[in-house]
Amino acid sequence: RKEVEQDPGPFNVPEGATVAFNCTYSNSASQSFFWYRQDCRKEPKLLMSVYSSGNEDGRFTAQLNRASQYISLLIRDSKLSDSATYLCVVKGRSDSWGKLQFGAGTQVVVTP
Amino acid sequence: NAGVTQTPKFRVLKTGQSMTLLCAQDMNHEYMYWYRQDPGMGLRLIHYSVGEGTTAKGEVPDGYNVSRLKKQNFLLGLESAAPSQTSVYFCASSNDRNDRGREEKLFFGSGTQLSVL
Repeated sequence: RKEVEQDPGPFNVPEGATVAFNCTYSNSASQSFFWYRQDCRKEPKLLMSVYSSGNEDGRFTAQLNRASQYISLLIRDSKLSDSATYLCVVKGRSDSWGKLQFGAGTQVVVTP
Repeated sequence: NAGVTQTPKFRVLKTGQSMTLLCAQDMNHEYMYWYRQDPGMGLRLIHYSVGEGTTAKGEVPDGYNVSRLKKQNFLLGLESAAPSQTSVYFCASSNDRNDRGREEKLFFGSGTQLSVL
């Protein structure tokens, strides 16, 4: 079983709609959680860190559910520019340098 | 600032050839990483470094070697390339943790597309 699992999609979303997707992780000791965005053939870039209380950044909302071991990302009022692959990233203990676990990504396609 | 710079961007090798990928960062980051990305899989850590002169194995280190002689540079070497090493390679750097104890983000280079025939 992969340590971090994501629905690969694609999630086809009409412009202006809301889309949400989850990422599950297997290590209950995981401490830090992130969403990265990756455009086709480009490098990943940090979208949001995910805090225990959940957090919002503009149209993006991230939630953490430790009991069920998943994090979620919700995108409201989708824009064409939101089309990308969203990578879920999980890290273990605070001293576990290099122990980031990446999901394979969820592809989102926003259509006009 | 340039951030993280990787060279080359593309390379085609024949089986058995060797090559070195160079990663350079100008942000004075302590930590540097080499990942590979394959279709349907997440980024997998090859090797990483927590400071100048140090290196450590990641998840998939076999067939690769690294060196961090200078803080700003992290080199990834393939001594004898194999078709299984066909992949996109990303270098990244970070300072791991900021002043508030929050996790620092990774800064990635633009990637190297490597094909081994």
